[in-house]
Amino acid sequence: EADIYQTPRYLVIGTGKKITLECSQTMGHDKMYWYQQDPGMELHLIHYSYGVNSTEKGDLSSESTVSRIRTEHFPLTLESARPSHTSQYLCASSDDNTGQETQYFGPGTRLLVL
Amino acid sequence: GQNIDQPTEMTATEGAIVQINCTYQTSGFNGLFWYQQHAGEAPTFLSYNVLDGLEEKGRFSSFLSRSKGYSYLLLKELQMKDSASYLCAVRDNYGQNFVFGPGTRLSVLP
Repeated sequence: EADIYQTPRYLVIGTGKKITLECSQTMGHDKMYWYQQDPGMELHLIHYSYGVNSTEKGDLSSESTVSRIRTEHFPLTLESARPSHTSQYLCASSDDNTGQETQYFGPGTRLLVL
Repeated sequence: GQNIDQPTEMTATEGAIVQINCTYQTSGFNGLFWYQQHAGEAPTFLSYNVLDGLEEKGRFSSFLSRSKGYSYLLLKELQMKDSASYLCAVRDNYGQNFVFGPGTRLSVLP
C-alpha cells in the first residue's frame, strides 16, 4: 500500500489569493509528479521532479510553481489564483528501483477558485 | 507526438466479461500501465506490461502487442463495484514520464 498524502483535500478560495497544495510521501521515492484533472477528463502532467532540487514543467502549461527541497515533500504553489485554476490536482510518486516503475497517487486536492 | 486512444464509454452487465482496448503512438516505449479510477478518487494501479503477451491478476488481465501499439484490459465476472474509469498509460522512451490516455468510463448494470 502506498503512503502518499495531499492536503488540503478540498479548498475554496477567492481570486488573487496565494495558495500552496501540499504533497508528501513516506516511501523514499525519488520521482514525484503533479497532474491536473478536470471532472471526467484525462490527466495532464503539469510538473515533475526526479529528486531533490530537480523540477521540470510538464506537458500542460501551468502558472503554478513547485519546489523539491526534501525527497518526501513536493508542494505546488499558485501565486495568484484565478477561476481558470479550478480543477482537481493529483500528486504521484514512483520508484524505479523495483524494475517495474509504478506511479502511486495521492487522494487529490479539489480546488475551487471563486 | 504522443497519442493514446481508448473508447470513451462502455457498458456491460454484472457477471459478464468486458475488454477495454487501448492503442498508443508514443516517442518510444518502456512499459504500459492500466489504472482504475472511481469518480472523484485518485487512480489506483491495476496492471503492468512491458513484454508482449498476457498478464493475469485475478479477475483482471492485460495484454500487450508492442508491434501493433495495442493493449487491452480484460475484466471477468464483472461486479457493480467495477464501474469506474480505466486509464491506459505508457511510459516513454527514457522511462521518465507517463502519458495517460483519456480513460474509458465503464458502467456495470445489474
